Amino acid sequence: DIRMTQSPSSLSASVGDRVTITCRASQSIDNYVVWYQQKPGKAPNLLITGANSLQSGVPARFSGSVSGTDFTLTISSLQPEDFAVYYCQQSYNTPLTFGGGTTVETK
Amino acid sequence: QLQESGPGLVKPSQTLSLTCTVSGGPITTAGSYWTWVRQHPGKGLEWIGHIYNNGRTYFNPSLKSRVSISVDTSKNQFSLELTSVTAADTAVYFCARSYSYFLDFWGQGNVVTVSS
Repeated sequence: DIRMTQSPSSLSASVGDRVTITCRASQSIDNYVVWYQQKPGKAPNLLITGANSLQSGVPARFSGSVSGTDFTLTISSLQPEDFAVYYCQQSYNTPLTFGGGTTVETK
Repeated sequence: QLQESGPGLVKPSQTLSLTCTVSGGPITTAGSYWTWVRQHPGKGLEWIGHIYNNGRTYFNPSLKSRVSISVDTSKNQFSLELTSVTAADTAVYFCARSYSYFLDFWGQGNVVTVSS
């Protein structure tokens, strides 16, 4: 199985801050990573596919990048509605595997 | 849209059964894998498995011996069965559509507690 190691597990930030979340894959997976946002009591919401393709309707302050087996989700200017938990997932092969999640909380 | 249905309480050693009803399009849509994911209380996401509309299934090896997923195209539904449940199977169970191995549509989740 491909392991996705996500960091940090939590972070505190303020509105307007730039936030960066990283996932490292245990093997080469090209750009087969997706990112989700999950709010309390809700299902995850797909943000980014193919490492850096924004889903329709997702604000442009969200972006993704890849360098080797390191994948990054960046929120350029954190907004109040962005406080949530973020997960990466490898879409390279089955079993699909997720990172452990990053909780973005208010400072 | 996807909507899970099923019991919220299952006794230990029994079988957990959930159904997901798909609306807004046929479950036979090409390229769609119909997926179950679970989330233990306060924890991350765990992929359980998925089924293609030809009936081919893929399961998480950690659950493979206890899991089955089936599809009923006439009802536009797919179902999950997890046998011999224990307290460790207490979780929120989500159904979702997987397209190219990313999950673009999700149900709202069905809380399942395993307890006597």
